[in-house]
Amino acid sequence: QVQLQESGPGLVKPSGTLSLTCAVSGGSISSSNWWSWIRQPPGKGLEWIAEIYHSGSTNYNPSLKSRVTISVDKSKNTFSLKLSSVTAADTAVYYCARNDQLWWYFDYWGQGTLVTVSS
Amino acid sequence: EIVLTQSPGTLSLSPGERATLSCRASQSVSSSYLAWYQQKPGQAPRLLIYGASSRATGIPDRFSGSGSGTDFTLTISRLEPEDFAVFYCQQSGSSPYTFGQGTKLEIK
Repeated sequence: QVQLQESGPGLVKPSGTLSLTCAVSGGSISSSNWWSWIRQPPGKGLEWIAEIYHSGSTNYNPSLKSRVTISVDKSKNTFSLKLSSVTAADTAVYYCARNDQLWWYFDYWGQGTLVTVSS
Repeated sequence: EIVLTQSPGTLSLSPGERATLSCRASQSVSSSYLAWYQQKPGQAPRLLIYGASSRATGIPDRFSGSGSGTDFTLTISRLEPEDFAVFYCQQSGSSPYTFGQGTKLEIK
């Protein structure tokens, strides 16, 4: 059973950089799956941010592309998200998830971590 | 970007009743790339349906999905108390992957 766990600071200052890591257990990040970050502002809907393959290939949501970097560490079985120049609008629960390898739906999710942008 | 519009925004029903949730896409989505998720307060979304009509592992058969092109439907045949939650449709056929705004299913 694949499990994902997000970690990182819960509070980030405006104009700073949000950094999160997702640890994958029960499976290899080098499998034939892509891996995604998704966020959900409090009381609102879901927004896909970016995805990465173990080779390092990436795909970003154009709405965030200029501020987002996604990376993978195969030795640690983790992947990470960096979001720069954050504002209060970036306050959200951030989820990591696994993309199904055929049809790209999100079959496994982390529990999510709330990141608040505030001074 | 494909915009998914879900209706209704809120659906008030009683246990035992049938629920019908709609998801309309701004352009055609291959059925293979349409999924439905259930989210309860404080929890991550849970995959219910993929490929428009295939139930995910462990999902009861009272949940069913249908549709094609731009119109998709999630049906819950007989509501159980644990079914009340927010439901999202999602497309992965075209990047950026997008979600509908959600339908809240509440107890009447």
